[in-house]
Amino acid sequence: EPEVTQTPSHQVTQMGQEVILRCVPISNHLYFYWYRQILGQKVEFLVSFYNNEISEKSEIFDDQFSVERPDGSNFTLKIRSTKLEDSAMYFCASRTGAGVGNEQFFGPGTRLTVL
Amino acid sequence: TQLLEQSPQFLSIQEGENLTVYCNSSSVFSSLQWYRQEPGEGPVLLVTVVTGGEVKKLKRLTFQFGDARKDSSLHITAAQTGDTGLYLCAGATSGTYKYIFGTGTRLKVLA
Repeated sequence: EPEVTQTPSHQVTQMGQEVILRCVPISNHLYFYWYRQILGQKVEFLVSFYNNEISEKSEIFDDQFSVERPDGSNFTLKIRSTKLEDSAMYFCASRTGAGVGNEQFFGPGTRLTVL
Repeated sequence: TQLLEQSPQFLSIQEGENLTVYCNSSSVFSSLQWYRQEPGEGPVLLVTVVTGGEVKKLKRLTFQFGDARKDSSLHITAAQTGDTGLYLCAGATSGTYKYIFGTGTRLKVLA
């Protein structure tokens, strides 16, 4: 069964460093998402991406964040200068369409720890 | 700001008992999803409901979408230890590409 994959599973970085989190969405999906979940808190929407551009973003997704689909398979989230409060699980998700009933499939997540 | 409140926040029950988890909002959603999340893993989709008043069943789990599409419930019959986990509801409004997640209900089923 196709699935969303994410690498690495755990990333440890120093405050101020740049990190790139990678995702491979399901191959025939067209809409891509990043969410984050700070430990013990709810899942928060960061950004949605369609047709090679951002379609929606939250207030969390500031200038320190960027997304890219550099080739036909990968979808990346870059944090330019990490802060302690960026420590969280980051989940990538994808779906075939934006219509109601189109299931959203989540990857296993990348645990980002900023020291 | 759209908010989805889930209740109860925590629930600990004995195997074989029934339970209901609620997901409430003041916003109208075009669709609502329920997920279960295990520690250290991503949310796994259980069901999507799109029509007001809709009821869907998945084995011992019954999902209902409110008539006004502002709330939903998840009922588990004869809970099993394997039902233990974090249950999340997530709603999408029309014209948006994102799902807003609820605050979660952490369920523990004791043997």
